[in-house]
Amino acid sequence: GENVGLHLPTLSVQEGDNSIINCAYSNSASDYFIWYKQESGKGPQFIIDIRSNMDKRQGQRVTVLLNKTVKHLSLQIAATQPGDSAVYFCAERGRGNTPLVFGKGTRLSVIA
Amino acid sequence: ETGVTQTPRHLVMGMTNKKSLKCEQHLGHNAMYWYKQSAKKPLELMFVYSLEERVENNSVPSRFSPECPNSSHLFLHLHTLQPEDSALYLCASSQDGANRPSEQFFGPGTRLTVL
Repeated sequence: GENVGLHLPTLSVQEGDNSIINCAYSNSASDYFIWYKQESGKGPQFIIDIRSNMDKRQGQRVTVLLNKTVKHLSLQIAATQPGDSAVYFCAERGRGNTPLVFGKGTRLSVIA
Repeated sequence: ETGVTQTPRHLVMGMTNKKSLKCEQHLGHNAMYWYKQSAKKPLELMFVYSLEERVENNSVPSRFSPECPNSSHLFLHLHTLQPEDSALYLCASSQDGANRPSEQFFGPGTRLTVL
């Protein structure tokens, strides 16, 4: 796959359990954050976003938490399914129309 | 389907060849992007076009030449590439406004191999 050589952090989770994927960011001026999912052979797919004026945002089976004090972002996936197996990227963006900056990604493996 | 298509999906070329990658977005967005994703580095932003004008060129070698003829199409012209340019090239689009960030929608990518 595209990220094999990066020695990505890997999270292995039993099917049905909850998953928590973490991301640290460095730019305290970032005010917009996104989580993407990338399956093998596909481009990154948008999962959920959050703005800096929020601490938490929920989607379908996913929740994003933002802790601006420690510059930490997390993605929680409830009742993880085999189809959730992928590489997950966080991305941050500064104020205005500055480009997104992507993290290295975390590989999630779901054990059936 | 994300509304962003890329062709070809796979490309093998020699170092002396000239080829072009094509991206088309069907979302009515006003910004388009080229990214490089290789096995040894995280996702790297290469070029950004906003309203058909290039607004970002992230120190990309001149052997990569982007072209944005209109807001729906983006090309990446390739010539005299090196084997280390082998990677997945991703196109993305977004609808950007002043102080209104939005997510980028990615295409499936072109897997490029340079021999």
